[in-house]
Amino acid sequence: ETGVTQTPRHLVMGMTNKKSLKCEQHLGHNAMYWYKQSAKKPLELMFVYNFKEQTENNSVPSRFSPECPNSSHLFLHLHTLQPEDSALYLCASSHTRNEQFFGPGTRLTVL
Amino acid sequence: GIQVEQSPPDLILQEGANSTLRCNFSDSVNNLQWFHQNPWGQLINLFYIPSGTKQNGRLSATTVATERYSLLYISSSQTTDSGVYFCAVDHPNSGNTPLVFGKGTRLSVIA
Repeated sequence: ETGVTQTPRHLVMGMTNKKSLKCEQHLGHNAMYWYKQSAKKPLELMFVYNFKEQTENNSVPSRFSPECPNSSHLFLHLHTLQPEDSALYLCASSHTRNEQFFGPGTRLTVL
Repeated sequence: GIQVEQSPPDLILQEGANSTLRCNFSDSVNNLQWFHQNPWGQLINLFYIPSGTKQNGRLSATTVATERYSLLYISSSQTTDSGVYFCAVDHPNSGNTPLVFGKGTRLSVIA
């Protein structure tokens, strides 16, 4: 248990569906991150939020829409995804530019 | 941007053997983390080690920042050590991208 939780753990969706991934951290951190890990590839940073403000959008397609209502919660809204978006999506948190702690991930399959 | 290279890419060990994993980085870093990703995808923090040496049970790590490398030592390996080991660095000039990951070392420990 790292203090970062993610739901759901597994998600299967069609290309026309809309779904959301949720991340919650109980560590009192001010920064939260979304990463994508495709099969046999290194982790790719998607978004960074610092004190609820988005500070990084790593050229992510608009079909991925993040939301950070407060420093403890982070969402990733998904719509009209493609099969190549199937991957493990990991959330992490930290104090700004300090040690990061990761959640267990959501394994997403797009049919 | 900063380059992070890990070696070897794959490693197979007999249970009880020792091993050394290496992480080279191309520029100065503020921070360095070692992670273990288990077969279920969870990233587990092993060390937060921008410089110096740390030990935690059978694992230890050394970072020589001036020579731009870090080593992770695993002694008396167990089957539960199997998984992928990632090194990640925080480069001072990486803007809002706080961690850059290497491609990992995939370790298989066989009984």
